[in-house]
Amino acid sequence: EPEVTQTPSHQVTQMGQEVILRCVPISNHLYFYWYRQILGQKVEFLVSFYNNEISEKSEIFDDQFSVERPDGSNFTLKIRSTKLEDSAMYFCASSGPGRKYEQYFGPGTRLTVT
Amino acid sequence: GENVEQHPSTLSVQEGDSAVIKCTYSDSASNYFPWYKQELGKRPQLIIDIRSNVGEKKDQRIAVTLNKTAKHFSLHITETQPEDSAVYFCAASPDDKIIFGKGTRLHILP
Repeated sequence: EPEVTQTPSHQVTQMGQEVILRCVPISNHLYFYWYRQILGQKVEFLVSFYNNEISEKSEIFDDQFSVERPDGSNFTLKIRSTKLEDSAMYFCASSGPGRKYEQYFGPGTRLTVT
Repeated sequence: GENVEQHPSTLSVQEGDSAVIKCTYSDSASNYFPWYKQELGKRPQLIIDIRSNVGEKKDQRIAVTLNKTAKHFSLHITETQPEDSAVYFCAASPDDKIIFGKGTRLHILP
């Protein structure tokens, strides 16, 4: 069964550095999302992306964040200047044609900002 | 915006008994209600969902109910097994995003 994949599984970075988290959505999916989960807390929506543009974003997704679909398979989340409070698990999700609401999550990237 | 409340935060049940998790939502525009199971260190997995035009849905040992008038929805797990131990998240979707509840940690006791 196809799954969403994410790399790296764990990223450690220093405060102020830029990070790029990568995702490969399920191949025929059209809708892409990023969520984050601070340790022990609920999953929080960051951004949704469709047809090469952001369709919705949350208050968390400020100017430090950006998303891109650089080619036909990858979907990336960039954090320009990381802060300590950006430490979290970041999940990519995707959903397919005709089943827009059924979002399937990747395994996550644990981001640790020191 | 949408706000999802989930209870209880922790639930312990004897193996073989039933477990019920309850959620409420605030945005009447929400029309899709998924439930996710998350095992420790793993991704959230979609286990069942219900749309606003349906009151109940069942899949083997799992059932969900939705009361749109009261803005309540619930997850019922019958004949619980050790592998049901996990954190369960209810969620509501008014549009492109999913808004999650805070989760219920379910412990299945031997």
